[in-house]
Amino acid sequence: DGGITQSPKYLFRKEGQNVTLSCEQNLNHDAMYWYRQDPGQGLRLIYYSQIVNDFQKGDIAEGYSVSREKKESFPLTVTSAQKNPTAFYLCASSINRGQAYGYTFGSGTRLTVV
Amino acid sequence: AQKVTQAQTEISVVEKEDVTLDCVYETRDTTYYLFWYKQPPSGELVFLIRRNSFDEQNEISGRYSWNFQKSTSSFNFTITASQVVDSAVYFCALRSNTNAGKSTFGDGTTLTVKP
Repeated sequence: DGGITQSPKYLFRKEGQNVTLSCEQNLNHDAMYWYRQDPGQGLRLIYYSQIVNDFQKGDIAEGYSVSREKKESFPLTVTSAQKNPTAFYLCASSINRGQAYGYTFGSGTRLTVV
Repeated sequence: AQKVTQAQTEISVVEKEDVTLDCVYETRDTTYYLFWYKQPPSGELVFLIRRNSFDEQNEISGRYSWNFQKSTSSFNFTITASQVVDSAVYFCALRSNTNAGKSTFGDGTTLTVKP
């Protein structure tokens, strides 16, 4: 079955470390997105990509980086510059033809700074 | 600018009660799409429904129904005879050509259904 796979499910990071969250989709979707969700809050867009080898900053891109070398993959790196990285991270994808399509989400990665 | 407002932060009901989740949106586009997603405790958001701006027909799917009214820019979601399994965070979202086609999400409504 097609879907989005995020790994790992739980991730612990020490202060000053960079960590990379994986997001892979086999839906043949063009667009991919990374969101951050803090407890009791909504979704905030970190980065998005509408085509391979191209991506744009979202609303809270500082301290994060991404790459889109393959259509199926959109990894997110949380750098040491992100001062408060503890959060739930969700990856999503969608067809990029018009706006009629909703998003398919992964199951998320919960990142904790220790 | 686009905006989606879910004024109800938390709702608590007892099983079998009906409950309505409100969603109000703002957009200058004439063509747009509205969505509802469910986020159960496991964390993954699940797509529930899509409605385009030209179709104001209400939709019913089992215990779920949606009321879209362009005159009030609202797209409300009603759960009839709620069940404990309906406990989740529900997000309303708007997508159009504005904002580079990205979805604009509301802040979500946390629904708790007590047995």
